[in-house]
Amino acid sequence: NAGVTQTPKFRVLKTGQSMTLLCAQDMNHEYMYWYRQDPGMGLRLIHYSVGEGTTAKGEVPDGYNVSRLKKQNFLLGLESAAPSQTSVYFCASREPGHLNEKLFFGSGTQLSVL
Amino acid sequence: EDQVTQSPEALRLQEGESSSLNCSYTVSGLRGLFWYRQDPGKGPEFLFTLYSAGEEKEKERLKATLTKKESFLHITAPKPEDSATYLCAVQLNTGNQFYFGTGTSLTVIP
Repeated sequence: NAGVTQTPKFRVLKTGQSMTLLCAQDMNHEYMYWYRQDPGMGLRLIHYSVGEGTTAKGEVPDGYNVSRLKKQNFLLGLESAAPSQTSVYFCASREPGHLNEKLFFGSGTQLSVL
Repeated sequence: EDQVTQSPEALRLQEGESSSLNCSYTVSGLRGLFWYRQDPGKGPEFLFTLYSAGEEKEKERLKATLTKKESFLHITAPKPEDSATYLCAVQLNTGNQFYFGTGTSLTVIP
């Protein structure tokens, strides 16, 4: 099993450009999450999904959009990138239900916006 | 406001020197507290979940404990391979979101 796979691993954008980050999981998990990790800030939730076709905002959703058209995929879009969006982005997935709620993370996407 | 604070930010230990990492939390309703390990350039990896005050979990040299206000990750006789950043996260009673602390960067010197 590959687990949670993120593409691309690295990307450099110019201010105003757009891009989409792809997260794919092969564990048939219902819930998927997008986090960003910045020095001194920890992991902060951008958007999440509790099932195919659903999305919800997290702590820092501004400037991002997401889509969950297929259960195994969760896409994070930046319509007009800004330098403040320079960060490491992590996708995670999990199953719902008590006593079984650990997150499985991908290996991250390092994004630089110049 | 829900808050998760980890201390210290960084910790350097000699191999074999035991210590503890702290995660204190102020949340409206705790459903669970999680510990993760993160190696450089990788995503966090799950270690433990704790659900109620007084609960303890162990794995090799690591032991996690939980009180009503904080959790400790005790590291007994650490080895260099235990060097990593350790993250704690809380899950609220609402269930779907997890709030992470900023982590403790642990370095174990041979």
